[in-house]
Amino acid sequence: SQTIHQWPATLVQPVGSPLSLECTVEGTSNPNLYWYRQAAGRGLQLLFYSVGIGQISSEVPQNLSASRPQDRQFILSSKKLLLSDSGFYLCAWSPGRALNTEAFFGQGTRLTVV
Amino acid sequence: KNQVEQSPQSLIILEGKNCTLQCNYTVSPFSNLRWYKQDTGRGPVSLTIMTFSENTKSNGRYTATLDADTKQSSLHITASQLSDSASYICVVSLAAGNKLTFGGGTRVLVKP
Repeated sequence: SQTIHQWPATLVQPVGSPLSLECTVEGTSNPNLYWYRQAAGRGLQLLFYSVGIGQISSEVPQNLSASRPQDRQFILSSKKLLLSDSGFYLCAWSPGRALNTEAFFGQGTRLTVV
Repeated sequence: KNQVEQSPQSLIILEGKNCTLQCNYTVSPFSNLRWYKQDTGRGPVSLTIMTFSENTKSNGRYTATLDADTKQSSLHITASQLSDSASYICVVSLAAGNKLTFGGGTRVLVKP
């Protein structure tokens, strides 16, 4: 069966520090991968999605970047965190090249920038 | 612009009662619509998924309806339980690829 792992679960970082959140998927190949952010009391906002290794699409201009060094690994990074980067970050995957399928979410990382 | 609007933003109901959540979307071309349940501090979990040709789909006490002509969907919760307290998110997928557009969610609180 397929599983998605996201870590860490919680993170407190000072302003200006770097960030690296990692997400890995098991039990599938060529997944579409997504990073979402959810601000407190708000809906999910798509940050990045990837349809293959090294292929990253950015949805909104921001202080963050994403990379996909391996087929089932998706990394969210920042060189210098801002206070506005605080939020709940979710990684998700869906079967590649398949429509009408659902997306599966990780358990999320709560990031607090202080 | 592709959008998904949900109403109400929040809802309080008594245990055992029914409730209905609404979702209107402007996403085009439309592929499918999903309802997710998200417990506080957790990732969303899928409840139902419907293509444009499906009018209704049930998952236990959850029943989703879809009217592709008016671009409206609803999620009906029957005989609510305390464990139904969560955010319910309507998500629409574009026909091109599997990119998802999320609604802002409806926060449901079930009280004993």
